Amino acid sequence: EAGVAQSPRYKIIEKRQSVAFWCNPISGHATLYWYQQILGQGPKLLIQFQNNGVVDDSQLPKDRFSAERLKGVDSTLKIQPAKLEDSAVYLCASRSQGLNTEAFFGQGTRLTVV
Amino acid sequence: AQKITQTQPGMFVQEKEAVTLDCTYDTSDPSYGLFWYKQPSSGEMIFLIYQGSYDQQNATEGRYSLNFQKARKSANLVISASQLGDSAMYFCAMRDNTGGFKTIFGAGTRLFVKA
Repeated sequence: EAGVAQSPRYKIIEKRQSVAFWCNPISGHATLYWYQQILGQGPKLLIQFQNNGVVDDSQLPKDRFSAERLKGVDSTLKIQPAKLEDSAVYLCASRSQGLNTEAFFGQGTRLTVV
Repeated sequence: AQKITQTQPGMFVQEKEAVTLDCTYDTSDPSYGLFWYKQPSSGEMIFLIYQGSYDQQNATEGRYSLNFQKARKSANLVISASQLGDSAMYFCAMRDNTGGFKTIFGAGTRLFVKA
């Protein structure tokens, strides 16, 4: 079974530029998460989708971050404009239905804003 | 509101010995799940073990066991017979099962296994 795919793996941009990350979850997984992991910290949930609907985006900085999940499969996370403090690893995870199912994570995208 | 607390920023353990990584949580949901993940220096998040809030027995997976004390709201990870490859960051996570299945993570504990 293919895992969660993310691209790009690395991205360096200047502040005030825009950037987009892509995630392809495991086939059939209805739940998709985007997390931000700043160096030395635990992952922070940015947004959670159930199929193509948003379940939770309470910690998403909506003035600069946006996310969508077209047709309930792939998802993109966009930052516009980027700030220095956005430098982090952005992790995508997906999960199948069921109470005791774990989330599977992609390799992440490491963003550096200079 | 949900909260996960890992109070040990770093831990050292001698190879072949057991180690306990602490995790406490707070939630008002009656149904929830607790998870532990390992994150090596390569960055991937590896699922280790799961404990449901209604599970009567403590979860075990090979060398990993979860010491679940519901009244104390703690879910400590025990790694037996530590190996050098166990050196990594370890994250405790919680998911509510009655709301939106939101999953939050603690700050993590870095484990160093000494030869």
